[in-house]
Amino acid sequence: GAGVSQSPSNKVTEKGKDVELRCDPISGHTALYWYRQSLGQGLEFLIYFQGNSAPDKSGLPSDRFSAERTGGSVSTLTIQRTQQEDSAVYLCASSLADRGAGANVLTFGAGSRLTVL
Amino acid sequence: AQKVTQAQTEISVVEKEDVTLDCVYETRDTTYYLFWYKQPPSGELVFLIRRNSFDEQNEISGRYSWNFQKSTSSFNFTITASQVVDSAVYFCALTNFGNEKLTFGTGTRLTIIP
Repeated sequence: GAGVSQSPSNKVTEKGKDVELRCDPISGHTALYWYRQSLGQGLEFLIYFQGNSAPDKSGLPSDRFSAERTGGSVSTLTIQRTQQEDSAVYLCASSLADRGAGANVLTFGAGSRLTVL
Repeated sequence: AQKVTQAQTEISVVEKEDVTLDCVYETRDTTYYLFWYKQPPSGELVFLIRRNSFDEQNEISGRYSWNFQKSTSSFNFTITASQVVDSAVYFCALTNFGNEKLTFGTGTRLTIIP
């Protein structure tokens, strides 16, 4: 697609429920990233994919969080047994990864706003 | 550990005024990259500039300019003759060579008053 697409744009859920957030990167972008933006914490790195593998998942805050990427394209971020502190905007980004690691320019989606009641 | 500090939480200026957004960073690595991203009300962060640690030349792009000073670990961003469309949250970010994880500052919310 023309840009990074994320769905849903808004999700309200009850504490304890599982949620899935989807990211559709720009076609041809091999690298995919998830970040979380919350009022108290700013923008935090969660996980990075190169193709279908995740060389860096160091930012996932707990084992309730997981992510996968299939076909080198779409990625899903899953949060199990949601807690109120999971409320945030979850941003996905993708990159051509045509520069050295660290130099790549990211194109971000508009985010999925998650509210846990 | 890496850290990016944007001490200015919110700035308001009248249209056509110049404004400078400050960014101070900390890293132990000698090779690193610095970025500025803009987040308009729509929510999508938009890339503005990338700088590597070996290139201290200042850069100008239209009304935007960036001042990179390794001696003070700063990478400040100036908007000249500000416009209402410049209203957004601006993030400074840092990553080390070989590392895909961006460390972001907390952002500066810029409001341009018409």
